[in-house]
Amino acid sequence: AQSVTQLDSHVSVSEGTPVLLRCNYSSSYSPSLFWYVQHPNKGLQLLLKYTSAATLVKGINGFEAEFKKSETSFHLTKPSAHMSDAAEYFCVVSISNTGKLIFGQGTTLQVKP
Amino acid sequence: DVKVTQSSRYLVKRTGEKVFLECVQDMDHENMFWYRQDPGLGLRLIYFSYDVKMKEKGDIPEGYSVSREKKERFSLILESASTNQTSMYLCASIVGASGTGELFFGEGSRLTVL
Repeated sequence: AQSVTQLDSHVSVSEGTPVLLRCNYSSSYSPSLFWYVQHPNKGLQLLLKYTSAATLVKGINGFEAEFKKSETSFHLTKPSAHMSDAAEYFCVVSISNTGKLIFGQGTTLQVKP
Repeated sequence: DVKVTQSSRYLVKRTGEKVFLECVQDMDHENMFWYRQDPGLGLRLIYFSYDVKMKEKGDIPEGYSVSREKKERFSLILESASTNQTSMYLCASIVGASGTGELFFGEGSRLTVL
C-alpha cells in the first residue's frame, strides 16, 4: 500500500541557516512525489514535483528535493532559510494507477530571526 | 492565473443544520476535489469528481455528499452537520488526472459546528 511519512511535525531554524524537511514514502509503483507549501490562512501551493525524470528536483523560492529510491526518501532542502519560508509543508505521493494523492501529516517550519 | 474560489472562508453552524460549501474554478479543469484538513492528519480526500455529474468517494466520505452540475462548480454538502465535522475544508482542481500534474487549491473554508 502507498503511504507517506513526514518524520518531523515541527522544525525550527534560524534565518540564514539550512532547512531540511524529511519525507519517506512507500509505494508499490514508481511514484510521483510532490512538496506543497501552505502559508497561514492560504491554500496549498506546489513547491516542486518528481515524476521519474531527474532525481534532484528544483522548485520555487530556492527549495529542492532529492528522490532516493534506495532510501525511499524525498527530503526537502533549502540552503538558507528566509523569514517568509515559515509555513506548513506537505509531502505528497501519487498512487499511479488511480491518480489519487496521499498527503503526509505536514511539517510546520518556524524561522527565527 | 488559475483561480479556485471558495465562497465562504469562515462559517459557524449548529448541530443538525445543512451546510453547503461552494467551490468554483476558472480554468476549465476536468477534475475537482474536496479535502478535509485537520492538525496532525494532513489532508484527507472526501470526494472527487472527474466530470460533470460524476463523483467518486474518497477516503472519508461518510456524512458528506457532493454535487457537480456544471464543470466549473463543485459543491460539498453536509446533510446534518455534527461537531466532529468542525474542520478546514479545501477544494482543489486539476486539468487531468492528479498523478503527475499540479493541484490548484482554494484558500479554504473553516467550518465550526456548535
